[in-house]
Amino acid sequence: QKEVEQNSGPLSVPEGAIASLNCTYSDRGSQSFFWYRQYSGKSPELIMFIYSNGDKEDGRFTAQLNKASQYVSLLIRDSQPSDSATYLCAVNIGNNAGNMLTFGGGTRLMVKP
Amino acid sequence: SQTIHQWPATLVQPVGSPLSLECTVEGTSNPNLYWYRQAAGRGLQLLFYSVGIGQISSEVPQNLSASRPQDRQFILSSKKLLLSDSGFYLCAWTNSGNTIYFGEGSWLTVV
Repeated sequence: QKEVEQNSGPLSVPEGAIASLNCTYSDRGSQSFFWYRQYSGKSPELIMFIYSNGDKEDGRFTAQLNKASQYVSLLIRDSQPSDSATYLCAVNIGNNAGNMLTFGGGTRLMVKP
Repeated sequence: SQTIHQWPATLVQPVGSPLSLECTVEGTSNPNLYWYRQAAGRGLQLLFYSVGIGQISSEVPQNLSASRPQDRQFILSSKKLLLSDSGFYLCAWTNSGNTIYFGEGSWLTVV
């Protein structure tokens, strides 16, 4: 079983719609959760992180964490064609001396005008 | 503010040739440093991480090696490249927090 799982997609949404990206993780000791966006041929860039159960909003982005169910999601409101990219979920497992992140395989999002 | 740079951005190397990718971080001290690889259409694979000068931990056995000769310098090397070493190599850093920041990446094609 993979430690961090994401649907590879592509997830296609029309411009202006809400895009919902999901991620599940296997280790209940996981403490920190991150979403990165990666445009084709570029390096990942941090969108947001979440540590506590519930929702965290930042502009058009909302991260949702449910530790009991071991999933974290990212909602993108008013999706724009410029949001088309691969979204990577990453998890920091506790007792990790190197502060390493384990990444999911990513979900490719396509926003159609 | 902190910045991270890695180079070269792209390179094409023949099988059996050596490799050296370099990464430096500015604006911070004693960062944790990482090398990741991303094969075409695949996720990020952690190759090496370092919590200090001369301290290297390897996550995946392979023909690659890493070194940290200075606090903010991280080098990825190989003595003889394989075709399977092709991919997108990413250097990354973090310090007191958990957030990891990536460099621009290096595209390696082994032919």
